[in-house]
Amino acid sequence: EVQLVESGGGLVQPGGSLRLSCAASGFTLRTYCMSWVRQAPGKGLEWVANIKQDGSEKNYVDSVKGRFTISRDNAKNTLFLQMNSLGADDTAVYYCARGRIPYYIRSLFDYWGQGTLVTVAS
Amino acid sequence: QSVLTQPPSASGTPGQRVTISCSGSSSNIGSNTVNWYQLLPGAAPKLLMYSNNQRPSGVPDRFSGSKSGTSASLAISGLQSEDEADYYCAAWDDTLNVVFGGGTKLTVL
Repeated sequence: EVQLVESGGGLVQPGGSLRLSCAASGFTLRTYCMSWVRQAPGKGLEWVANIKQDGSEKNYVDSVKGRFTISRDNAKNTLFLQMNSLGADDTAVYYCARGRIPYYIRSLFDYWGQGTLVTVAS
Repeated sequence: QSVLTQPPSASGTPGQRVTISCSGSSSNIGSNTVNWYQLLPGAAPKLLMYSNNQRPSGVPDRFSGSKSGTSASLAISGLQSEDEADYYCAAWDDTLNVVFGGGTKLTVL
């Protein structure tokens, strides 16, 4: 059974940093591109970043470029999102999601985690 | 403001058929496939439809999808109370990567 479990969320002050993790199981992580997607309170879904199966290509939504870094450790079956210079607009539930088609970065998602809440407030 | 446009709400009574629309442009829906997701509070988003009209295993055939030009739609027939949820369309955009609709809250009356 495919499972994605996010962790690392919490309350952080404006300007602070947080590192999210997504533990993958039930499939071979190294064959899939992965993404982070967020949902701010009362708002819709927003794609944040994606990464190729081998980490050779990474893409970000404009609003997080230069502040967020997506990475992965295939040996540990884990996806990461390093978030720096956080602001109130980054408050959201953050989901990790798997691209449906192996090796294809333009693939939309099939499996998602349950999300981890990040709250940026003083 | 979301790149893809969905109605904010939809409703129907048990057994009815409801349709949720998703409107985009030539750079997203017009040139790429559409997925639909169901969001329930506290649960992981669930893939309902991929490649416009393909149902993953386990999704009832009450759910169907279609695409025409720069618009797509999700239809739910034989509406059930358990279908009450938020529904999102998504597509790859040639310039913006992945884009989503603003979501449609479906109420079963």
